[in-house]
Amino acid sequence: GEDVEQSLFLSVREGDSSVINCTYTDSSSTYLYWYKQEPGAGLQLLTYIFSNMDMKQDQRLTVLLNKKDKHLSLRIADTQTGDSAIYFCAEIGGAGSYQLTFGKGTKLSVIP
Amino acid sequence: GAVVSQHPSRVICKSGTSVKIECRSLDFQATTMFWYRQFPKQSLMLMATSNEGSKATYEQGVEKDKFLINHASLTLSTLTVTSAHPEDSSFYICSARGGAGGPSYNEQFFGPGTRLTVL
Repeated sequence: GEDVEQSLFLSVREGDSSVINCTYTDSSSTYLYWYKQEPGAGLQLLTYIFSNMDMKQDQRLTVLLNKKDKHLSLRIADTQTGDSAIYFCAEIGGAGSYQLTFGKGTKLSVIP
Repeated sequence: GAVVSQHPSRVICKSGTSVKIECRSLDFQATTMFWYRQFPKQSLMLMATSNEGSKATYEQGVEKDKFLINHASLTLSTLTVTSAHPEDSSFYICSARGGAGGPSYNEQFFGPGTRLTVL
């Protein structure tokens, strides 16, 4: 089956930028997503990017997509303690597929 | 964005009992709802996909008779864990996707999750 990989942990100082990376194997991915999960909570959609785009910016969030390398990243500028959470990368394949394939999640710890 | 609710948020039950979890889309019609299970410090595992008015499609390894899914309306899906055992203890999360042409068609909106503990 298709696979999505992420590093498990990232630690940054408050005010610095965080970059969370993700790689995927499905060459027919149409949409790629970033979700945030705080402890004991469900998933919050942060942003998504269509596969024919290579960048999307939304306030402090910047998503970069390298479709050739199947690499997706999420950059959080001016990281705050409230950004501490687990971030999941997910993708949906093409041709009418609507099932999300998730990575294992990256735990972001922000040091005050 | 669209809102999906789950009820209850936490449930503790005795082994052998059945537990029903509700998933509701509050401000849009969800033609498709998904049920996920999340183990501690792990990713979400898709259990089943349900379309309104039809039988759910279960992922390989998920017991249909143990995890009963009903998607009776465009705003409600239920997951019933039958004869629950301690190994069923987990965090269950639903998500909902709107119909074609609607604003929520290409997104899945997640509920807040239900923590099930089976004693």
